[in-house]
Amino acid sequence: GQNIDQPTEMTATEGAIVQINCTYQTSGFNGLFWYQQHAGEAPTFLSYNVLDGLEEKGRFSSFLSRSKGYSYLLLKELQMKDSASYLCAVMDSNYQLIWGAGTKLIIKP
Amino acid sequence: GAGVSQSPSNKVTEKGKDVELRCDPISGHTALYWYRQSLGQGLEFLIYFQGNSAPDKSGLPSDRFSAERTGGSVSTLTIQRTQQEDSAVYLCASSLGGQGAAGYTFGSGTRLTVV
Repeated sequence: GQNIDQPTEMTATEGAIVQINCTYQTSGFNGLFWYQQHAGEAPTFLSYNVLDGLEEKGRFSSFLSRSKGYSYLLLKELQMKDSASYLCAVMDSNYQLIWGAGTKLIIKP
Repeated sequence: GAGVSQSPSNKVTEKGKDVELRCDPISGHTALYWYRQSLGQGLEFLIYFQGNSAPDKSGLPSDRFSAERTGGSVSTLTIQRTQQEDSAVYLCASSLGGQGAAGYTFGSGTRLTVV
């Protein structure tokens, strides 16, 4: 079966760095997405990785290792507004998105 | 429009009634998805439309659920004889093409409560 695993919840301090991991087992791979979802709102697109390596976008970076079935989202200089759920999703060989359950990130002052 | 528009934003219905949810994707986006999300849970795929191809209905949980997309644009998700377990947020997303490399844009969702 297809599976996306990510931690259920993480806590970090304002101004610090946090890494949210995602491991996946899917039938084929056509890219990995990270989305941010604030409580009661729709998910918003953060990043897309299809090749191995690190993609940096401001305070957010996303890393992919296809051979390990592994990705992480790195958030630097954490701000209170970064408190949200972070969803990892993998696009399989049929171009379907397989979603993880999300990681709830709690930022403390 | 500038974003994906969904209506209604909230719907409370009695068990056994039919409901219709609407999604208006971004103009020019050929791919349209319906998901549902229960409180604190991940996204559950329901149905996928890509251009004029036959939709992928593999995620629909029962034959009470159906969806159509008229003219390659607006989509409606219909739930017949609603049950309490249908209560969830129903999210619509669209993308330029099926591969969605630029990511999907989600609507704000319809919160359905079946009482």
